[in-house]
This record gives sequence, structure tokens and C-alpha cells, in this order.
Amino acid sequence: ETGVTQSPTHLIKTRGQQVTLRCSSQSGHNTVSWYQQALGQGPQFIFQYYREEENGRGNFPPRFSGLQFPNYSSELNVNALELDDSALYLCASSLRASGAADTQYFGPGTRLTVL
Amino acid sequence: AQSVSQHNHHVILSEAASLELGCNYSYGGTVNLFWYVQYPGQHLQLLLKYFSGDPLVKGIKGFEAEFIKSKFSFNLRKPSVQWSDTAEYFCAVNARTGGGNKLTFGTGTQLKVEL
Repeated sequence: ETGVTQSPTHLIKTRGQQVTLRCSSQSGHNTVSWYQQALGQGPQFIFQYYREEENGRGNFPPRFSGLQFPNYSSELNVNALELDDSALYLCASSLRASGAADTQYFGPGTRLTVL
Repeated sequence: AQSVSQHNHHVILSEAASLELGCNYSYGGTVNLFWYVQYPGQHLQLLLKYFSGDPLVKGIKGFEAEFIKSKFSFNLRKPSVQWSDTAEYFCAVNARTGGGNKLTFGTGTQLKVEL
């Protein structure tokens, strides 16, 4: 059983650029969530995808968008990068079953630096 | 909206000392509760979780947590810490709304265990 993987590990962009981060879910999981973790803070929920549809969104602007693919891998896209977007971006996958609570398993994250 | 408070931001203990990390949440409904740990250089790992049933839950590496509904608390404990427990600890809550698992995290507690 493979865990959650993310790519790239590190990324440096300049203000105004666009970035795409990628995530491969743990085998058998059908739900993926993305979080932003600023330095010294806990992770903040960006959004969640279930069966390729957005299933909840946190307090992030529309320039943060995502996709989930049929194989349950996922992308996080951020347009018009701002300095404050510099953070560790975490992907978490889980198996959402009807009527049951699910547990999220996290990947190692992508460290994004915006200059 | 739900929120999570972790009262201790930095804790320094000697090996064999007892540990208790506080976590309080604000949400009036049914919740799922989690403690995650992030060891230096590693990704977030699940330490333990509470969904229902016995409010005293046991996790990996000798950790346990007690859910006290009347106090909206889910404190983490370990009777005797080891140097290898040095890590950052995050409490997280998910409001059980039936719409999937969207975690709200506390700001984390940095634990340093000295030899």
C-alpha cells in the first residue's frame, strides 16, 4: 500500500505567476483535501474533492482551484500568486464511505516560496 | 464555525516526565477529534482519533487522549516521554455534518524532550 505522495517537493515562483501542485492519493482512497500551512501555524483547509467534484471549501479566494481525476489523483492550482501564498501545501487523502467518519492521511507537502 | 485552541505553544520536558497537551474546540454539534504529530523532517502522521464510544482513546507510541464533552476538550497525555517524542503536535476537529471530513487545526504545540 503506497502512501500519499506530492510533487514537487519545493517550488519558487514570483508574484503574479501561476502554479500547479500535484498529489497522488493513498491506494483505495476516494477523497482528497488540500491544506495550506503557513510558518508557525496549523494547516488551514482550502478545499476537498470527492468523486471529482468539489465537496467543501475553506476561506480561500477563487484563484485557488483544484481538480480530482478519475484515478483520484489531484491538482491544486493557484493563479496570480501573492507573497502571502508562500507556505507548505499539504494534500490529504481519505476513504469516504456512506455513513462513516473518515480519517485523513497526509502527504509530505510542497514548499512554495513566492518572491 | 468551528475553531481549535492549543494553549501550550512550546513545551520543554526532561525524559521520563509526564506530558499533557491541552486542546479545546468550539462547536456545538457532534465532532470527530484527532491528534496529529509531525516529527522533524517528516510529514503529518495520525497519532490517535476519537469518533464515538469510550472517551479515553489510545494511540501509537503510548499516547492517549480523553474527550470531555462538557469541557469541549481533547487533551493529549503520555505518562513518560522519550527524547524521540520531540515533535510538533496538532489537535484537529471535524464537525460531523455528513459532508465529509474537513479538518480545523489548532496552531500546534512544539514539544522538546531533553535527555
